[in-house]
Amino acid sequence: DVKVTQSSRYLVKRTGEKVFLECVQDMDHENMFWYRQDPGLGLRLIYFSYDVKMKEKGDIPEGYSVSREKKERFSLILESASTNQTSMYLCASRGGWFSNTEAFFGQGTRLTVV
Amino acid sequence: GENVEQHPSTLSVQEGDSAVIKCTYSDSASNYFPWYKQELGKGPQLIIDIRSNVGEKKDQRIAVTLNKTAKHFSLHITETQPEDSAVYFCAASYSNAGNMLTFGGGTRLMVKP
Repeated sequence: DVKVTQSSRYLVKRTGEKVFLECVQDMDHENMFWYRQDPGLGLRLIYFSYDVKMKEKGDIPEGYSVSREKKERFSLILESASTNQTSMYLCASRGGWFSNTEAFFGQGTRLTVV
Repeated sequence: GENVEQHPSTLSVQEGDSAVIKCTYSDSASNYFPWYKQELGKGPQLIIDIRSNVGEKKDQRIAVTLNKTAKHFSLHITETQPEDSAVYFCAASYSNAGNMLTFGGGTRLMVKP
């Protein structure tokens, strides 16, 4: 069974903290994505990566950075957490360059910044 | 970049009725259109997809139609059941190195028993 695993289901962090959200996939996919989900706004792309050490900004990258040191792992970093980053964060992976195939999602991390 | 709009944002139907969710996209280069279902507390999961060389695709009670000329596609669920209650997302993408999916805003479907 294919899997995308996010390290935490729920996180509570304080304003100004550095926050790491981890995502691991076991499907040998080239492409990995971080989305943010807010009510009424759908899924908005924060960053994506199409190869190890490669990263591209999505639609809302401000306040975030990412790291992909290994093919199976993609980390989202909030350098200095703020209350407006309270949200649901979803990681996804998708295989093959230049091929349109199914994206697989993790179960999500609900982050609350207080 | 691609922009996907989805309507309605909420939809309430009686069990056994049909439900239709519509999406429009902006980039004529998009050639892959998946639909995802997100149940409470879970990540989105693919339920059906369609590629640009096909106009319609069915899988049991679910069907998707695509009109490339008008740049819109729709999800049709027949004989709805309470377990169909969820948030549904449409998306669009085209083949490139990143294979980004651009999502619509989502539709909350409620099926009343």
